[in-house]
Formats: sequence, C-alpha cells, structure tokens
Amino acid sequence: VMTQSPATLPVSPGDSATLSCRASQSVSSNLAWYQQKLGQAPRLLIYGASTRATGIPDRFSGSGSGTEFTLTISSLQSEDFAVYYCQQYNKWSPKPFGQGTKVEIK
Amino acid sequence: EVQVLESGGDLVQPGGSLRLSCAAPGFTFSTYSMSWVRQSPEKGLEWISVISGSDGSTYYADSVKGRFTMSRDNSKSTVYLEMRTLRVEDTAVYYCAKLKWESRGWYFDEWGRGTLVTVSS
Repeated sequence: VMTQSPATLPVSPGDSATLSCRASQSVSSNLAWYQQKLGQAPRLLIYGASTRATGIPDRFSGSGSGTEFTLTISSLQSEDFAVYYCQQYNKWSPKPFGQGTKVEIK
Repeated sequence: EVQVLESGGDLVQPGGSLRLSCAAPGFTFSTYSMSWVRQSPEKGLEWISVISGSDGSTYYADSVKGRFTMSRDNSKSTVYLEMRTLRVEDTAVYYCAKLKWESRGWYFDEWGRGTLVTVSS
C-alpha cells in the first residue's frame, strides 16, 4: 500500500514543495512519480526514485529508497499546480499508486 | 513521436459490453508491453490489465478478471480492451499506457488522453 502526504499542499508560486510517499513494505528504488493536471492524463516525471524522465525540468527531483520517498519541486511555476501520484513497481499490484497529493496555489 | 490514442468509450447499461481501442504509433510497438489503467473518484487509479510485448501474455486485476479481455494487433500498433458484463462500478476514465520495464516491474512512460466509460441504466 502506498500512502501519500499531505493530501493537499498549498504553496505560493516561486516557493518549494515537498511531497511524501510511503510504502507499507520496501520497494527498493522501484518508484515512479506522475503529474496529473485537471482533465489530462498522468505524465511521468521520475522513475527509479530519482531519475527524471525525458523533458522534465530539473526543478523536479526525487529521492528516497525502501519505504520513504520524496518529490521536491523547487521554485514552483504556475504549470506545476496539479495532482502528483507515486507508483511502486517492485511487485505487481492492481493498486500500485498512492492516493495523490494536490499542490494548490496558496 | 510516441502517441497513445484511446477510443470507444460510451454510455452502456449494466450487463452490457463495450470494446475500447488504443492506437500507439511512433515506436516499435511489438516490443513493448501495454496496459489499461482506469480512474474514478471513488477508487482512484487502478491498473486493470497488461499485455506483454514479447509473447502476448495477459494479466488482469481481480476486479475485471473473467469479464475483460485485453488483446493486441501488432500490425496496427493497437491494443484492445473487450469489456463484458459491465457493472456500475466499472464507470471510469480508461487510460491506455505504454509500459517500461525496469528492475522488478513496469512503470508507465506514455499515456493516452483517456476515454470515458459510463455504466448506468
């Protein structure tokens, strides 16, 4: 089970945001992060816990291993306000995603 | 350029059937596994099916096993999801996604825009 916190994170543009994802058991570094804007499909941001996907700005960074993971967004831009999901891929599961963290404008 | 384009979503009555299609040009389709993920406000993101690129093996979530069938036509770079005996709780946006294998599992590196399936009388 993947648990994300907080559920909602109010952030001012230009500030940093730190999102957490916790796994109920170790997933090693087999963790991905996705961004989903309203009415759009999820977009891959990070895989392998810390590797940015192609075309993802370097203000997005991922860290962690085992059961504790963090997605940090530095200097938030207007286009970064969205819902973020973590996904473990260490073991097949129909529910590999966390419930999401909504980053909203403060 | 990789594209993932779903179609086929509709309003259907409980017990009915529907077939979704997903065209995915722009990459060596036959070598990649593909999946369907659905999203609803009640259940969030749910990974419901996978089809292997190597041998066409399929995997299903228990919630759809025996009712949904995923298939692929490599000559058309297309995957399908045949849905039967639909239930109200199958109502969701259905996304098709390209899978990337790393280490011990798959993550989703390309997603379609989704197609809405509504099951209601």
